[in-house]
Amino acid sequence: GDSVTQMEGPVTLSEEAFLTINCTYTATGYPSLFWYVQYPGEGLQLLLKATKADDKGSNKGFEATYRKETTSFHLEKGSVQVSDSAVYFCALTSSRNFGNEKLTFGTGTRLTIIP
Amino acid sequence: EADIYQTPRYLVIGTGKKITLECSQTMGHDKMYWYQQDPGMELHLIHYSYGVNSTEKGDLSSESTVSRIRTEHFPLTLESARPSHTSQYLCASKGLLTEAFFGQGTRLTVV
Repeated sequence: GDSVTQMEGPVTLSEEAFLTINCTYTATGYPSLFWYVQYPGEGLQLLLKATKADDKGSNKGFEATYRKETTSFHLEKGSVQVSDSAVYFCALTSSRNFGNEKLTFGTGTRLTIIP
Repeated sequence: EADIYQTPRYLVIGTGKKITLECSQTMGHDKMYWYQQDPGMELHLIHYSYGVNSTEKGDLSSESTVSRIRTEHFPLTLESARPSHTSQYLCASKGLLTEAFFGQGTRLTVV
């Protein structure tokens, strides 16, 4: 079945440091890939997405590139801020039967940024 | 901005009580999902629906039940709450070519 393997946390960085959170996936066909963010006490919000190979998703300074050859979708940000402290989830949807997509999530990575 | 709502946000209830967690969306999405999120953050799919009168159990076995009588509404019911049901419950919906949108969650505590 489909699966998402995400970098174990927690991750603690100083403000303005470079961030990478690794994500690899296993899926049949051509999945769409997502990064979601969850701030304390909230639900998940979409951070960025990519729907085909070599697409780059970007938002709020975060980027991730859909790499089919390495089945990866690593999240990066050049200079993190305290406000980026949250839990980050890598996810995919794939549809063996058109229209019946299932969402598959990684285990989440807790990121803490210290001033 | 997502138009998916969960109520209540927080609920503390005694063992044995029946509870219903509400989830509504105004986006006309066919697909809706319930996730249970443990303190370790991991999300577990417990129920999903691909449309009216369609419900399926998810990957994690749950004593809860769901119904989908209307497109916009996907309530989750626990007939007899137990302390082991204490958790955060997240509802989501998804359109055909869209990402999933999540509600803010219901934090349930059974005492």
